[in-house]
Amino acid sequence: DGGITQSPKYLFRKEGQNVTLSCEQNLNHDAMYWYRQDPGQGLRLIYYSQIVNDFQKGDIAEGYSVSREKKESFPLTVTSAQKNPTAFYLCASSISARREVEAFFGQGTRLTVV
Amino acid sequence: AQSVTQPDIHITVSEGASLELRCNYSYGATPYLFWYVQSPGQGLQLLLKYFSGDTLVQGIKGFEAEFKRSQSSFNLRKPSVHWSDAAEYFCAVGSNYGGSQGNLIFGKGTKLSVKP
Repeated sequence: DGGITQSPKYLFRKEGQNVTLSCEQNLNHDAMYWYRQDPGQGLRLIYYSQIVNDFQKGDIAEGYSVSREKKESFPLTVTSAQKNPTAFYLCASSISARREVEAFFGQGTRLTVV
Repeated sequence: AQSVTQPDIHITVSEGASLELRCNYSYGATPYLFWYVQSPGQGLQLLLKYFSGDTLVQGIKGFEAEFKRSQSSFNLRKPSVHWSDAAEYFCAVGSNYGGSQGNLIFGKGTKLSVKP
């Protein structure tokens, strides 16, 4: 089955800790994205990658880091510098980063700081 | 700047009633438009998309949307709502400008509740 897998589904982090969210796709897509979702705020872009070994900051990149060493993987690290990390995180991918192409989404990871 | 506005934060309709969710966009060129649906705690699923041609687009689950260039709108409709349609709906426009918005610019969403 082709798709996007995010893990874990739920994640708890202590304040001051870094934590990494996994996103893997087997759709052979070039572009991948990370969004943060908070109630009433819609989807806000954190980082995106148009191709392996390249990525760009989105609107709310501060306190986050990513890597794109393999086409199928785009992990997101939430660092201790992120002031309010509790949120629902969505990973997506698309064939390319062109505007006519729709994105496919994973099931999300809910991160809670305890 | 490109943007998408969904004026209604929350809509409640009765089961069996018709539905229209509004979406207005701001984009300098011919827009590529999408509607997505999100069930609670889940990812987003594509309902339909508009690229060109017929301005009335059919999607999955009985949804349709009409592109009106003169009104910069792309409203989502369904003739008869089912309880399982309760979810959050997002309108998006595709952008080649990239930058900090990437290639898909989303509205803030409309939450649909369905009354029995």
